[in-house]
Amino acid sequence: GNSVTQMEGPVTLSEEAFLTINCTYTATGYPSLFWYVQYPGEGLQLLLKATKADDKGSNKGFEATYRKETTSFHLEKGSVQVSDSAVYFCALVNYGGATNKLIFGTGTLLAVQP
Amino acid sequence: DVKVTQSSRYLVKRTGEKVFLECVQDMDHENMFWYRQDPGLGLRLIYFSYDVKMKEKGDIPEGYSVSREKKERFSLILESASTNQTSMYLCASSFRAHHPGELFFGEGSRLTVL
Repeated sequence: GNSVTQMEGPVTLSEEAFLTINCTYTATGYPSLFWYVQYPGEGLQLLLKATKADDKGSNKGFEATYRKETTSFHLEKGSVQVSDSAVYFCALVNYGGATNKLIFGTGTLLAVQP
Repeated sequence: DVKVTQSSRYLVKRTGEKVFLECVQDMDHENMFWYRQDPGLGLRLIYFSYDVKMKEKGDIPEGYSVSREKKERFSLILESASTNQTSMYLCASSFRAHHPGELFFGEGSRLTVL
């Protein structure tokens, strides 16, 4: 079946540190990959996406590259800020499946300290 | 901006009560979704709807039903609430013409069943 695996949190970093949140996936067909972010007290919002192999999604200083050979979509940011503290969800939509449903990972809590 | 509004941010109900969670979106989206969010489990799809009066089961529909009488409104119903339905409930919507992974979420309704 289709699934997404994220690194366990919480991830605690100091301001201006480099961030990596690992995400790997299992899917048949040709999935599109997403990162969503949930700030405290808010709903999820789309952060970035990549729809085919080797695509790089980017937004707000965050980047992730769709690596088909390693089935990965790791989220990176060069210098985190306190305002980046949130829960980050990796997700996929698999067009090879019966329905185009978004499948989420379990989420990774990021805490950035000043 | 797209706005997805969930009627109640916090609810406390007793076991056996009937619970209604309401969701309204203001961007004429065809697709609407209900998820529940639990620590360590991520987001799990309960029900979704691709059009008025249409509904399809997601991954965990047991104990829930839905209603979509108008395009902008999607209601989640717990016929007889149980303690294992204590959770955060998230409503989302999307435009059929857009990528199926691009959802707009409400802020969530935190339900506690005593």
